[in-house]
Amino acid sequence: KNQVEQSPQSLIILEGKNCTLQCNYTVSPFSNLRWYKQDTGRGPVSLTIMTFSENTKSNGRYTATLDADTKQSSLHITASQLSDSASYICVVALYNQAGTALIFGKGTTLSVSS
Amino acid sequence: GAGVSQSPSNKVTEKGKDVELRCDPISGHTALYWYRQRLGQGLEFLIYFQGNSAPDKSGLPSDRFSAERTGESVSTLTIQRTQQEDSAVYLCASSLAHEREPSTDTQYFGPGTRLTVL
Repeated sequence: KNQVEQSPQSLIILEGKNCTLQCNYTVSPFSNLRWYKQDTGRGPVSLTIMTFSENTKSNGRYTATLDADTKQSSLHITASQLSDSASYICVVALYNQAGTALIFGKGTTLSVSS
Repeated sequence: GAGVSQSPSNKVTEKGKDVELRCDPISGHTALYWYRQRLGQGLEFLIYFQGNSAPDKSGLPSDRFSAERTGESVSTLTIQRTQQEDSAVYLCASSLAHEREPSTDTQYFGPGTRLTVL
């Protein structure tokens, strides 16, 4: 069964600290993995997209890693800011007989406090 | 505006009624996606349009759900005989993808339509 699991479900950190969010997937055949940030009441915003051959990608203070062998990805946030408080969603894309499919994790809710 | 727009922003309807949700993608974007997000749940893929290709309807949960797209512009998602379980935020996204395959395109999301079925 194609699944994307994220951990932790929620996380509270102090402003300025670093944190790492995890994503494990059992999706085949794998095409690419995406991390989205979703603020409350807003649509998701793409942070990174990685294909099978990429094992790290950065976007400002966000760095995503991908281990296609173990089917694990992480999103590392450096020097957190209050504005980082949001839900972070891991999404894995695959090919299926109908064409395209996107499998979404349930997200990690990050709260950054001062 | 330059982004994806959706209307209405909120819709309250009675069980059994039909509803129509609208999405205006970014001009020039050939790919358009509809998603659903129930309270406390992850995003759920519904349907994908790419140019003039047949849409990928594999995510539609039942035959009460349908969607149309006029060329490469506006799309409407229709839910017939709404049920309370249909209550969710419905999100639309568009991208520049030129192939009918998952690609490393960036999807731009609209603000969503919050549907409440009483």
